[in-house]
Amino acid sequence: NAGVTQTPKFRVLKTGQSMTLLCAQDMNHEYMYWYRQDPGMGLRLIHYSVGEGTTAKGEVPDGYNVSRLKKQNFLLGLESAAPSQTSVYFCASSYDLQPPNLSYEQYFGPGTRLTVT
Amino acid sequence: GIQVEQSPPDLILQEGANSTLRCNFSDSVNNLQWFHQNPWGQLINLFYIPSGTKQNGRLSATTVATERYSLLYISSSQTTDSGVYFCAVGIQGAQKLVFGQGTRLTINP
Repeated sequence: NAGVTQTPKFRVLKTGQSMTLLCAQDMNHEYMYWYRQDPGMGLRLIHYSVGEGTTAKGEVPDGYNVSRLKKQNFLLGLESAAPSQTSVYFCASSYDLQPPNLSYEQYFGPGTRLTVT
Repeated sequence: GIQVEQSPPDLILQEGANSTLRCNFSDSVNNLQWFHQNPWGQLINLFYIPSGTKQNGRLSATTVATERYSLLYISSSQTTDSGVYFCAVGIQGAQKLVFGQGTRLTINP
């Protein structure tokens, strides 16, 4: 049981380049989330999904797109990277529907450190 | 939106000391989690505690939902307890987490 995994772990982009971050979970969770963490701050929600084929905006969605084509995967895309998107990106999942595990506890991946120059 | 405030922002202690970290939130919630972010950046789940009291070894947590606060207690601190402790509350149906700014704990040997 790997939990929540993220690829890649590190990435350097030039301004204007695009990339996709992949998140995978093997806990059969319904909900998945993408957060970003800037230095000295808590995490802020970018986008989230409450089920396969659904996505919704969080607190800081501008400049990002997401897709959830399979229940276990949640993709975060940057179409045209900007220096302001330099950050650490965390994926999380939650909501196990199977009793007796019914819970909204979120579990986080190890993060992706992205630098945009 | 909901506000989450943690105190103190920084705490420096000697090994073996006890500490209490506080989290205040501005609205009703039905999900609250405490995390430890270690020096390598990894977020470790400590407690899922929408209400009541839980204990796990040297750590315990209490959430008083009606008064909108939660406390994290660390006893007999060890250097490996160093890092940033975050409180986060879940809102609305999807339980999106809103994080506080964190408490940076430094345990000196």
